[in-house]
Amino acid sequence: NAGVTQTPKFQVLKTGQSMTLQCAQDMNHEYMSWYRQDPGMGLRLIHYSVGAGITDQGEVPNGYNVSRSTTEDFPLRLLSAAPSQTSVYFCASSYSTSGRVYEQYFGPGTRLTVT
Amino acid sequence: AQTVTQSQPEMSVQEAETVTLSCTYDTSESDYYLFWYKQPPSRQMILVIRQEAYKQQNATENRFSVNFQKAAKSFSLKISDSQLGDAAMYFCAYRRPYGGSQGNLIFGKGTKLSVKP
Repeated sequence: NAGVTQTPKFQVLKTGQSMTLQCAQDMNHEYMSWYRQDPGMGLRLIHYSVGAGITDQGEVPNGYNVSRSTTEDFPLRLLSAAPSQTSVYFCASSYSTSGRVYEQYFGPGTRLTVT
Repeated sequence: AQTVTQSQPEMSVQEAETVTLSCTYDTSESDYYLFWYKQPPSRQMILVIRQEAYKQQNATENRFSVNFQKAAKSFSLKISDSQLGDAAMYFCAYRRPYGGSQGNLIFGKGTKLSVKP
């Protein structure tokens, strides 16, 4: 198993540009999430999905969109990049059964810089 | 709302010694999970240990153990026989066990651990 994979590992954008951060998992996990990590802030939830076709907002959703067309993939879209979105982005997935969610497994992260 | 607090931004330990990282949390729930994650310079988030709130026994994983005090809402991590490879950021995290918005992790701000040779 590759686990949770993220691409790209690094990205530099100019203000106003759009892009998609890719996330995929091969563990057949229903639950997937996107977090951002900023210095001194820990990790904060952006969006999450409890299964294909179902997404919802987390703590800091503004400026980001997500979709979940398959169990495996959960891309994060930046609509119009801003310097405040400079951060490290992590995708995570979890196994769930009978509504109960277990450990979250993290991807390697994407370091995004917006100039 | 649940919160997680790590009051030690940085800690240092001598190689082969023992160090304890502190974490407190606030919740009105009785059923939840607590985690310690390690983040080395490679940036990868690695699960170190998990504690289920309904289990009174403290979790252990090799050199890592926790002191879980449910009434005090305290969840400290003890690293024994510290190794150079233990140097990393350590995050304490809380999660309710069920799906929806409850299934997401709430993180503390982290403790940076240095290991001196």
